[in-house]
Amino acid sequence: GAVVSQHPSWVICKSGTSVKIECRSLDFQATTMFWYRQFPKQSLMLMATSNEGSKATYEQGVEKDKFLINHASLTLSTLTVTSAHPEDSSFYICSAGETKQTSYQETQYFGPGTRLLVL
Amino acid sequence: AQSVTQLDSQVPVFEEAPVELRCNYSSSVSVYLFWYVQYPNQGLQLLLKYLSGSTLVESINGFEAEFINSQTSFHLRKPSVHISDTAEYFCAVSDMNTGFQKLVFGTGTRLLVSP
Repeated sequence: GAVVSQHPSWVICKSGTSVKIECRSLDFQATTMFWYRQFPKQSLMLMATSNEGSKATYEQGVEKDKFLINHASLTLSTLTVTSAHPEDSSFYICSAGETKQTSYQETQYFGPGTRLLVL
Repeated sequence: AQSVTQLDSQVPVFEEAPVELRCNYSSSVSVYLFWYVQYPNQGLQLLLKYLSGSTLVESINGFEAEFINSQTSFHLRKPSVHISDTAEYFCAVSDMNTGFQKLVFGTGTRLLVSP
C-alpha cells in the first residue's frame, strides 16, 4: 500500500527555536497533504490542509504565522514550528491524499508522526 | 460540525475472546464513517469504512462495524481477537460534502490483548 514517511520521528528543542518536520509520500503523488496535532489522551486535530503549489488552508484557531507549511512538490510537505514554546509540545502527524480522478473518494495515508518536545 | 466519542480509552481482553470498541458520533449532516488502526511506531491505517449501501462493513482481518443511524453509532467488533490485534483504534467521520478531505477523529481506544 501507499507509504507516508515523516522526519524526524522525534525532536527536542529549546524554547524560541524553530523546528521543521518533513512529510513525504514515498510511492505516490499527493496533491493534498494534511497536518494534524495530537495532545495526550486527545483526538487528532486537523491543523491545516496543504495543497501542492498553493497556500495552505488553516483550521480555525491555528496560527498560520507560527505553523508554516510548504508543499513545494507532489511528494513533500513541510511543517515549520516557528519560535516554539513548551505549549507546542505535541505529536504531529501528516497524511497524504493520493491524487485520483475522483478526488472525493481519495483515501488518506498517514505518516508515523513526529513527537516534539520543547524545553 | 461533527464530533466523535470513543468512551473507552482502553479495552483489555484475552486472546480469542470477542471484543467491541464503541464509537458514537454527532453531526448535522450525513457523514462517512471510518475506523483506523495504529500499531506501535506506525502511522494510522484504514481498517474499514462506511460510505453507503450495506450498513455492515468488514475488514480483511476479521473486524466488522455496523452503522446504526438511529443510534448514531459505528461500533467495531471482532468475534475472536489475536495478540497481534493489540493497537490503538480510532473512529473518524467526514462530512459527505467534503468527501475524505476533513476527518474528525475520536480520542482513540487502546486494545490490549493478553494470552
